[in-house]
Amino acid sequence: DGGITQSPKYLFRKEGQNVTLSCEQNLNHDAMYWYRQDPGQGLRLIYYSQIVNDFQKGDIAEGYSVSREKKESFPLTVTSAQKNPTAFYLCASRPQGGNTEAFFGQGTRLTVV
Amino acid sequence: KQEVTQIPAALSVPEGENLVLNCSFTDSAIYNLQWFRQDPGKGLTSLLLIQSSQREQTSGRLNASLDKSSGRSTLYIAASQPGDSATYLCASILIKAAGNKLTFGGGTRVLVKP
Repeated sequence: DGGITQSPKYLFRKEGQNVTLSCEQNLNHDAMYWYRQDPGQGLRLIYYSQIVNDFQKGDIAEGYSVSREKKESFPLTVTSAQKNPTAFYLCASRPQGGNTEAFFGQGTRLTVV
Repeated sequence: KQEVTQIPAALSVPEGENLVLNCSFTDSAIYNLQWFRQDPGKGLTSLLLIQSSQREQTSGRLNASLDKSSGRSTLYIAASQPGDSATYLCASILIKAAGNKLTFGGGTRVLVKP
């Protein structure tokens, strides 16, 4: 089945620890995105990549980092510099171009303990 | 900057009633508008994509309209069922947006009572 796989579904982070969220897609999409969802705030864009080995900051990139070494993979690292990382993280992909449909993964819930 | 608004934030209807969900946006220079469904603790499922040149799009009991001149899109769900209970989000892509990124509304949480 074609789709976007995010793992893990639940992730717990200790203070001062870096954690990496995985996002893999087998849809052969060029563009990939990471969003953060908080209650009452909607979805906010963290980082996006339109092509392998290139990525751009979104609206709330501070405290996060990404890589795009392969077309199908776009991992997100939540660093210790992110002071309030508890949230639901969603990965999306789409074919290149603005008039194409976006698809989302099932999300990762990150909690700081 | 595009602003997308969904009002009301929550809606409760009896089973069988038609649902009408509203989405408004401030900049009409968009590629398209996409409607999503989100169940609690889950990701987003794409429901309908309306291209900027289209007026409406239909899929089963779902019908979405787009009026760029007024900056509005409406999602109609006919004969609602309890399984339609979820949060519905709309999102648009501005033609001038870097990375063709989606801008989301805050969503409408729907409860269909049996």
